[in-house]
Parts: sequence; structure tokens; C-alpha cells
Amino acid sequence: AQSVSQHNHHVILSEAASLELGCNYSYGGTVNLFWYVQYPGQHLQLLLKYFSGDPLVKGIKGFEAEFIKSKFSFNLRKPSVQWSDTAEYFCAVNALGRDDKIIFGKGTRLHILP
Amino acid sequence: DAGVIQSPRHEVTEMGQEVTLRCKPISGHDYLFWYRQTMMRGLELLIYFNNNVPIDDSGMPEDRFSAKMPNASFSTLKIQPSEPRDSAVYFCASSLAGWGTEAFFGQGTRLTVV
Repeated sequence: AQSVSQHNHHVILSEAASLELGCNYSYGGTVNLFWYVQYPGQHLQLLLKYFSGDPLVKGIKGFEAEFIKSKFSFNLRKPSVQWSDTAEYFCAVNALGRDDKIIFGKGTRLHILP
Repeated sequence: DAGVIQSPRHEVTEMGQEVTLRCKPISGHDYLFWYRQTMMRGLELLIYFNNNVPIDDSGMPEDRFSAKMPNASFSTLKIQPSEPRDSAVYFCASSLAGWGTEAFFGQGTRLTVV
């Protein structure tokens, strides 16, 4: 079955620092990939998604992610974080030919110091 | 559309009691997912429905858990009897189609079993 690994459970950065959150998935076929964000006390919201085409995906709030098929990775990046980016970030995968499930990683808690 | 609506937002119950969580998906969405979020295990898929039919319930932890979707606009997740280890945030999500579409999440139900 497909699975998703997020390497960092908890990340602490200062404002204006650059961010990269790792995500790897296990599935050899075609995938859809997502990053969701959960602000404190709120529900999950879609940050960005990759379906096909350009492997560099732009999302909301200055986030982007790059799909590297050879590495089974979909890392999330932002060049300069803000205090308001404090949240939990989830990577998710949906595998073609398996089923319609969206499987989530365990999440990365990002804390931005003002 | 008001989005995915879950009720109640918070539930505190005593061990052994029956708990019913409710979800109204976005109108027109064919897929409905129930997830459970805990610190230890992250976001786990419990069960999902397509056109009101349960497709995969392999994530349901035990027979104490059951889910129904009597019509396109309503689903329930029931725990009977509840146990303290069931304490978690339960999210319902819906999507327009299966593979390739994003899931929209409700606000979640925070369940505490004492």
C-alpha cells in the first residue's frame, strides 16, 4: 500500500528564514500529491497540489513544492517564512490504479519565532 | 456552499457510552472520508464512501466503530462502547470525484472519552 513519510516532526525557524519540509512517498506508479496546512485550532486546508505537468508547483501564500519522481519526493519550500506560517503541514498522496484514498503523512509542526 | 459541516465540534463522554459523530459533505461531492487525528498516529483514514457506498473500511480500528451514509448529504461515525483511547479529533472530508481531486475538510469533532 502507498505510504507517506515526513522527515521532520517539529521545525522551529525565525521569521525570514527559508523553509524546506521533506516528504517522500512509496508507490511506483502515477500519483497525485498534495500539501495541506492546519492552522492552530482549524481544519486542514489545501496549500498546493501536483497532478501532472510542471513538477514545480506554486501554491498559496508563497509556498511551492517540487515533484522529483526519481526520488519519490515532494518537498515543500518557502523562501522567507512569516510568523503567520506557524501551523502543521501534511503531505498526502493519491495513487492511480490503487484506489481513491488520500493517504496523509504524520505531519510536521512548524513554529515560527517572531 | 458552506463547506463540510461536522457536529458536534466538541464531545466529552464517559467510557462505555455510545458516541455519534455527524457529517454533511459538500453538495455534489461523490466521495466522503472519515479521518482520525492523534498526536501519536497523525491523520489516519478510517473509512471512505463513494456514492453512499462504503468502499474501504480497513482503517476502522475495531468493531466498536461503525459508519453509515444513508444518503448523499449525511454520514455518521459511531463508537459503541467508547474508550479513553478513542479520544482524538475526527475529521470528515469530501471530494468531487475520486482519484485526482482534492479533499475538503470539515472543522472536526474533538472527542474526549473520560
